[in-house]
Amino acid sequence: DSGVTQTPKHLITATGQRVTLRCSPRSGDLSVYWYQQSLDQGLQFLIQYYNGEERAKGNILERFSAQQFPDLHSELNLSSLELGDSALYFCASSVGGGSSYEQFFGPGTRLTVL
Amino acid sequence: LAKTTQPISMDSYEGQEVNITCSHNNIATNDYITWYQQFPSQGPRFIIQGYKTKVTNEVASLFIPADRKSSTLSLPRVSLSDTAVYYCLVGRHGSSNTGKLIFGQGTTLQVKP
Repeated sequence: DSGVTQTPKHLITATGQRVTLRCSPRSGDLSVYWYQQSLDQGLQFLIQYYNGEERAKGNILERFSAQQFPDLHSELNLSSLELGDSALYFCASSVGGGSSYEQFFGPGTRLTVL
Repeated sequence: LAKTTQPISMDSYEGQEVNITCSHNNIATNDYITWYQQFPSQGPRFIIQGYKTKVTNEVASLFIPADRKSSTLSLPRVSLSDTAVYYCLVGRHGSSNTGKLIFGQGTTLQVKP
């Protein structure tokens, strides 16, 4: 158990819909990261927040957005969903903002878009 | 961010030592080398990190030559449960930097009985 929690564990929805994925970091961690892992793309970095502020952006689509709240939990919003958005979405957290800090990954949310 | 190159796959047998080498020719002075392990449908898990020479923990060793342009993850006496994908990453230290990690394809290690 990494100490990072993600909800829901599974999500099945239809194309065009909007969903919200939730992540609670480990106690004391200030950074939260979101990753997408699909079969044909591998693990893709989406976005990082550090202490409530956006720190780095990766391959995140404009249809996707995220935020980190004052209590440090984070939400990833996916809208206008397409079939290709079906993937495992991982949240990770670390104590610091640099990429050399150990990132602790949550169990993931499996999103299926039908 | 320094690009890394590692073998796509490796096979081994239980009880053998496995060495996975990663090249990172463009590594910068402030970069650290980190290895993660990922099992199917699970998030990656930190294995080991180093800056130079040799680092050892309870599960692996990491060898880094003086020029730091490559690194080798060594797994002693592997078991079937070590079958996983192993990622080599290069990252910048310090909270002022970003935590952006570029996961490549990784090395799929298959341990056979």
